[in-house]
Amino acid sequence: AQTVTQSQPEMSVQEAETVTLSCTYDTSESDYYLFWYKQPPSRQMILVIRQEAYKQQNATENRFSVNFQKAAKSFSLKISDSQLGDAAMYFCAYLENSGYALNFGKGTSLLVTP
Amino acid sequence: EAGVAQSPRYKIIEKRQSVAFWCNPISGHATLYWYQQILGQGPKLLIQFQNNGVVDDSQLPKDRFSAERLKGVDSTLKIQPAKLEDSAVYLCASSLDVTGAYNEQFFGPGTRLTVL
Repeated sequence: AQTVTQSQPEMSVQEAETVTLSCTYDTSESDYYLFWYKQPPSRQMILVIRQEAYKQQNATENRFSVNFQKAAKSFSLKISDSQLGDAAMYFCAYLENSGYALNFGKGTSLLVTP
Repeated sequence: EAGVAQSPRYKIIEKRQSVAFWCNPISGHATLYWYQQILGQGPKLLIQFQNNGVVDDSQLPKDRFSAERLKGVDSTLKIQPAKLEDSAVYLCASSLDVTGAYNEQFFGPGTRLTVL
């Protein structure tokens, strides 16, 4: 099974600052998808951003962007201009192109301070 | 568009009792997933349905867990009998399809199960 590793259990950032959350994964596949999901306290999980492995261009969604390094099997999430509403658990996830078994990391808890 | 609905939101039972969770996916979504999220961990896939057929249940503890998706829409997940280690949030998700541009999974609010 593919392994997704998030090495930062907790991160803290001040409002308006930038923070980067790390994720590495292990796979022998060449075609797959990577995701970052946000799970606020007691609220449901929502998709933040997604990256197709065959695309070299890094995905961006407003203040959220990724640094996808396929050879290094690294997929970090950068949050710019952090807001209090960004505080949540962030999960990195891997999906094979076959569509089976979305594999999640253990998550990074992001705290945003005023 | 309505999201993924789950009920109940919370459930407390004693060990060895049985419990059932219900999920209604987004209309038109062919693929439905059940995940188990233990406190402090990421979700782990229990079972995946494509329409009303099972495509992956390799991590479902089949001696006590069962799931069905009748008519390819709603789904129920059952635990019988429950153990202490089953305490977790059970998440349901759905997607249009499994591959390509349609594989984004939308999650429900989850059911928090506490086994005493």
